[in-house]
Amino acid sequence: DVKVTQSSRYLVKRTGEKVFLECVQDMDHENMFWYRQDPGLGLRLIYFSYDVKMKEKGDIPEGYSVSREKKERFSLILESASTNQTSMYLCASSSWDPKEGEKLFFGSGTQLSVL
Amino acid sequence: AQSVAQPEDQVNVAEGNPLTVKCTYSVSGNPYLFWYVQYPNRGLQFLLKYITGDNLVKGSYGFEAEFNKSQTSFHLKKPSALVSDSALYFCLVKAGNTGKLIFGQGTTLQVKP
Repeated sequence: DVKVTQSSRYLVKRTGEKVFLECVQDMDHENMFWYRQDPGLGLRLIYFSYDVKMKEKGDIPEGYSVSREKKERFSLILESASTNQTSMYLCASSSWDPKEGEKLFFGSGTQLSVL
Repeated sequence: AQSVAQPEDQVNVAEGNPLTVKCTYSVSGNPYLFWYVQYPNRGLQFLLKYITGDNLVKGSYGFEAEFNKSQTSFHLKKPSALVSDSALYFCLVKAGNTGKLIFGQGTTLQVKP
Protein backbone atom coordinates (compact mmCIF):
# COMPACT_ATOMS: atom_id res chain seq x y z
CA ASP A 1 0.00 0.00 0.00
CA VAL A 2 1.12 3.52 -0.72
CA LYS A 3 2.15 5.42 2.32
CA VAL A 4 2.21 9.18 2.63
CA THR A 5 3.65 10.23 5.96
CA GLN A 6 3.39 13.66 7.50
CA SER A 7 5.91 14.21 10.25
CA SER A 8 3.62 15.83 12.81
CA ARG A 9 -0.02 15.23 13.66
CA TYR A 10 -0.37 18.40 15.76
CA LEU A 11 1.78 21.51 15.85
CA VAL A 12 1.47 24.67 17.92
CA LYS A 13 3.54 27.65 16.84
CA ARG A 14 3.73 31.34 17.64
CA THR A 15 3.08 34.21 15.27
CA GLY A 16 6.20 35.07 13.30
CA GLU A 17 7.86 31.68 13.67
CA LYS A 18 9.21 29.83 10.67
CA VAL A 19 7.36 26.54 10.32
CA PHE A 20 8.32 23.43 8.37
CA LEU A 21 5.78 20.74 7.50
CA GLU A 22 7.33 17.59 6.14
CA CYS A 23 5.82 14.95 3.88
CA VAL A 24 7.35 11.72 2.63
CA GLN A 25 5.89 9.19 0.19
CA ASP A 26 7.23 5.72 -0.42
CA MET A 27 5.89 4.88 -3.89
CA ASP A 28 8.21 6.83 -6.16
CA HIS A 29 5.38 9.13 -7.23
CA GLU A 30 6.40 12.13 -9.27
CA ASN A 31 3.47 14.33 -8.27
CA MET A 32 3.12 15.75 -4.79
CA PHE A 33 0.71 18.31 -3.40
CA TRP A 34 0.05 20.44 -0.35
CA TYR A 35 -3.52 21.35 0.53
CA ARG A 36 -5.08 23.15 3.45
CA GLN A 37 -8.47 22.10 4.71
CA ASP A 38 -10.83 24.55 6.38
CA PRO A 39 -14.46 23.92 7.38
CA GLY A 40 -16.87 24.88 4.61
CA LEU A 41 -14.05 25.57 2.16
CA GLY A 42 -13.02 22.04 1.30
CA LEU A 43 -9.43 21.47 0.24
CA ARG A 44 -7.52 24.29 -1.35
CA LEU A 45 -4.30 23.70 -3.22
CA ILE A 46 -1.29 25.62 -1.91
CA TYR A 47 1.56 24.26 -4.03
CA PHE A 48 2.31 21.20 -6.09
CA SER A 49 5.36 19.61 -7.64
CA TYR A 50 5.67 17.38 -10.68
CA ASP A 51 9.33 16.61 -10.26
CA VAL A 52 12.36 17.12 -8.07
CA LYS A 53 13.27 20.79 -7.68
CA MET A 54 10.15 21.73 -9.57
CA LYS A 55 7.23 23.60 -7.97
CA GLU A 56 4.09 25.29 -9.13
CA LYS A 57 1.77 27.63 -7.26
CA GLY A 58 -1.68 26.42 -6.50
CA ASP A 59 -4.72 28.51 -5.69
CA ILE A 60 -3.53 30.00 -2.38
CA PRO A 61 0.29 30.18 -2.34
CA GLU A 62 0.61 33.48 -0.48
CA GLY A 63 2.55 33.15 2.75
CA TYR A 64 3.90 29.71 1.83
CA SER A 65 6.86 28.23 0.01
CA VAL A 66 7.88 24.65 -0.75
CA SER A 67 10.97 22.57 -1.24
CA ARG A 68 11.46 19.34 -3.16
CA GLU A 69 15.09 18.33 -3.05
CA LYS A 70 14.37 14.59 -3.25
CA LYS A 71 11.59 12.78 -5.06
CA GLU A 72 10.08 11.27 -1.95
CA ARG A 73 10.01 14.42 0.18
CA PHE A 74 7.94 17.58 -0.23
CA SER A 75 8.19 20.26 2.43
CA LEU A 76 5.83 23.13 3.07
CA ILE A 77 7.35 26.23 4.67
CA LEU A 78 5.59 29.05 6.42
CA GLU A 79 8.22 31.79 6.44
CA SER A 80 6.50 33.82 9.16
CA ALA A 81 3.47 32.08 10.58
CA SER A 82 0.29 34.09 11.09
CA THR A 83 -2.92 33.25 12.92
CA ASN A 84 -4.85 32.95 9.65
CA GLN A 85 -2.63 30.02 8.75
CA THR A 86 -4.14 27.96 11.54
CA SER A 87 -5.56 25.03 9.62
CA MET A 88 -5.35 21.35 8.78
CA TYR A 89 -2.61 20.73 6.22
CA LEU A 90 -2.81 17.68 3.98
CA CYS A 91 -0.05 16.31 1.80
CA ALA A 92 -0.80 14.06 -1.15
CA SER A 93 1.05 12.21 -3.86
CA SER A 94 -0.38 10.80 -7.05
CA SER A 95 0.16 8.16 -9.64
CA TRP A 96 -1.00 8.23 -13.23
CA ASP A 97 -1.97 5.23 -15.31
CA PRO A 98 -3.44 5.54 -18.82
CA LYS A 99 -6.13 3.03 -17.96
CA GLU A 100 -6.81 3.89 -14.33
CA GLY A 101 -6.26 7.61 -14.54
CA GLU A 102 -4.94 9.59 -11.61
CA LYS A 103 -5.24 8.48 -8.03
CA LEU A 104 -4.39 10.69 -5.07
CA PHE A 105 -2.99 9.27 -1.84
CA PHE A 106 -3.20 11.43 1.26
CA GLY A 107 -1.29 11.70 4.48
CA SER A 108 -3.13 11.86 7.80
CA GLY A 109 -2.78 15.60 8.03
CA THR A 110 -1.08 18.10 10.32
CA GLN A 111 -3.31 20.30 12.47
CA LEU A 112 -1.36 23.55 12.84
CA SER A 113 -2.34 26.13 15.41
CA VAL A 114 -0.67 29.53 15.26
CA LEU A 115 -1.06 31.53 18.45
CA ALA B 1 -14.47 29.43 -13.85
CA GLN B 2 -14.12 25.74 -13.19
CA SER B 3 -15.86 24.56 -10.06
CA VAL B 4 -17.22 21.62 -8.13
CA ALA B 5 -20.29 21.98 -5.93
CA GLN B 6 -21.54 19.80 -3.12
CA PRO B 7 -24.79 21.61 -2.38
CA GLU B 8 -25.40 20.06 1.04
CA ASP B 9 -23.12 20.77 3.99
CA GLN B 10 -24.68 17.87 5.87
CA VAL B 11 -26.81 14.85 5.02
CA ASN B 12 -28.67 12.99 7.77
CA VAL B 13 -29.86 9.45 7.18
CA ALA B 14 -31.25 6.68 9.37
CA GLU B 15 -29.29 3.45 9.43
CA GLY B 16 -30.58 1.01 6.81
CA ASN B 17 -31.99 3.74 4.58
CA PRO B 18 -30.48 4.64 1.20
CA LEU B 19 -28.18 7.63 1.08
CA THR B 20 -27.20 10.12 -1.60
CA VAL B 21 -24.45 12.72 -1.43
CA LYS B 22 -24.65 15.14 -4.32
CA CYS B 23 -21.92 16.55 -6.55
CA THR B 24 -22.17 18.73 -9.62
CA TYR B 25 -19.33 20.22 -11.61
CA SER B 26 -18.44 22.75 -14.25
CA VAL B 27 -15.14 22.01 -15.94
CA SER B 28 -13.79 22.07 -19.46
CA GLY B 29 -13.03 18.91 -21.39
CA ASN B 30 -14.01 15.41 -20.37
CA PRO B 31 -13.69 15.17 -16.60
CA TYR B 32 -12.27 12.47 -14.40
CA LEU B 33 -14.44 12.15 -11.30
CA PHE B 34 -13.61 10.84 -7.85
CA TRP B 35 -15.08 10.46 -4.39
CA TYR B 36 -12.95 10.50 -1.26
CA VAL B 37 -13.96 9.96 2.36
CA GLN B 38 -12.38 11.39 5.49
CA TYR B 39 -12.97 9.79 8.86
CA PRO B 40 -12.32 11.86 12.00
CA ASN B 41 -8.64 12.67 12.52
CA ARG B 42 -7.64 10.81 9.38
CA GLY B 43 -6.46 11.69 5.90
CA LEU B 44 -8.65 11.27 2.83
CA GLN B 45 -9.27 7.79 1.49
CA PHE B 46 -10.17 6.92 -2.10
CA LEU B 47 -13.69 5.52 -2.58
CA LEU B 48 -14.29 5.31 -6.30
CA LYS B 49 -13.69 7.01 -9.65
CA TYR B 50 -15.15 7.45 -13.09
CA ILE B 51 -12.81 7.71 -16.08
CA THR B 52 -14.78 6.29 -19.01
CA GLY B 53 -17.22 3.48 -19.70
CA ASP B 54 -20.24 2.47 -17.67
CA ASN B 55 -21.87 5.48 -16.03
CA LEU B 56 -22.47 3.55 -12.81
CA VAL B 57 -19.26 2.87 -10.93
CA LYS B 58 -18.90 0.77 -7.81
CA GLY B 59 -16.36 1.43 -5.12
CA SER B 60 -15.28 0.59 -1.61
CA TYR B 61 -17.59 -0.15 1.34
CA GLY B 62 -20.65 -0.72 -0.88
CA PHE B 63 -20.70 2.80 -2.32
CA GLU B 64 -21.49 3.56 -5.92
CA ALA B 65 -21.78 6.71 -8.01
CA GLU B 66 -23.54 7.60 -11.22
CA PHE B 67 -22.01 9.85 -13.84
CA ASN B 68 -24.63 11.96 -15.61
CA LYS B 69 -23.07 13.91 -18.44
CA SER B 70 -26.14 15.97 -19.33
CA GLN B 71 -26.62 17.09 -15.74
CA THR B 72 -22.85 17.31 -15.06
CA SER B 73 -23.36 15.36 -11.87
CA PHE B 74 -21.63 12.53 -10.05
CA HIS B 75 -23.78 11.69 -7.02
CA LEU B 76 -22.54 9.20 -4.45
CA LYS B 77 -25.04 6.54 -3.34
CA LYS B 78 -25.40 3.57 -1.06
CA PRO B 79 -28.50 1.37 -0.86
CA SER B 80 -28.34 0.86 2.91
CA ALA B 81 -26.45 3.23 5.18
CA LEU B 82 -24.39 2.12 8.18
CA VAL B 83 -23.55 4.17 11.27
CA SER B 84 -19.89 3.59 10.39
CA ASP B 85 -20.44 5.48 7.11
CA SER B 86 -20.64 8.71 9.11
CA ALA B 87 -17.77 10.83 7.80
CA LEU B 88 -16.87 13.77 5.59
CA TYR B 89 -17.16 13.11 1.85
CA PHE B 90 -15.38 15.01 -0.88
CA CYS B 91 -16.07 15.06 -4.59
CA LEU B 92 -12.97 15.63 -6.73
CA VAL B 93 -12.92 16.47 -10.40
CA LYS B 94 -9.95 16.53 -12.71
CA ALA B 95 -10.55 18.84 -15.66
CA GLY B 96 -9.95 16.94 -18.86
CA ASN B 97 -8.05 19.56 -20.78
CA THR B 98 -6.05 21.32 -18.06
CA GLY B 99 -5.56 18.43 -15.68
CA LYS B 100 -6.40 20.70 -12.76
CA LEU B 101 -7.76 18.93 -9.67
CA ILE B 102 -10.74 20.65 -8.06
CA PHE B 103 -12.34 19.62 -4.76
CA GLY B 104 -15.88 20.22 -3.65
CA GLN B 105 -16.32 21.79 -0.23
CA GLY B 106 -17.26 18.51 1.41
CA THR B 107 -20.48 17.01 2.80
CA THR B 108 -20.77 15.61 6.29
CA LEU B 109 -22.79 12.41 6.36
CA GLN B 110 -24.46 11.53 9.66
CA VAL B 111 -26.04 8.10 9.89
CA LYS B 112 -28.17 7.67 13.00
CA PRO B 113 -28.98 4.29 14.53
